[in-house]
Amino acid sequence: NAGVTQTPKFRVLKTGQSMTLLCAQDMNHEYMYWYRQDPGMGLRLIHYSVGEGTTAKGEVPDGYNVSRLKKQNFLLGLESAAPSQTSVYFCASRLGNSNEKLFFGSGTQLSVL
Amino acid sequence: LAKTTQPISMDSYEGQEVNITCSHNNIATNDYITWYQQFPSQGPRFIIQGYKTKVTNEVASLFIPADRKSSTLSLPRVSLSDTAVYYCLVGWASGGSYIPTFGRGTSLIVHP
Repeated sequence: NAGVTQTPKFRVLKTGQSMTLLCAQDMNHEYMYWYRQDPGMGLRLIHYSVGEGTTAKGEVPDGYNVSRLKKQNFLLGLESAAPSQTSVYFCASRLGNSNEKLFFGSGTQLSVL
Repeated sequence: LAKTTQPISMDSYEGQEVNITCSHNNIATNDYITWYQQFPSQGPRFIIQGYKTKVTNEVASLFIPADRKSSTLSLPRVSLSDTAVYYCLVGWASGGSYIPTFGRGTSLIVHP
């Protein structure tokens, strides 16, 4: 039982390049979330999903797209990376319709030059 | 969602008890209070959750007064390894309507 796994752990992009961050969970959780964390800041929600095939915008969705084609995977895409997207990205999941705790991945450090 | 307010930072020494208070003046009747801990270069992890009065587990205690407008996370006899950022969240996880929202948290530094 690996929990929440994020790949890659580190990535350096040039401005304008695209990439996809993968989040995979093996706990059969319904809800999944993508957050970004900048120095001295808390976590800000980018997009989230309440089930397979569904996605919704969070607090800072601009410049990102997501997909949840399979229940266990939640993909975060950057179509045209910008330096402002340099950040640490965390994925999280929780089971479903009650006050369950969030489980987080170990994060992806992304630098856009 | 109820907004939370926490101190930005706190300092303590090994062996001391640390109390971190979170204010949530507009907490709703169904809202729970949840605390997470984040070490550098790691994702947050759940510490404790409560609704009212006192909750205790192997890691911490959570004190919630009757009016529930605040809560206090208590860490007994802290060690250097308790140096982390602590987040207080308020909300009710009913389906997709609950969006876990993290503020800046409280950065706790434990000194030798």
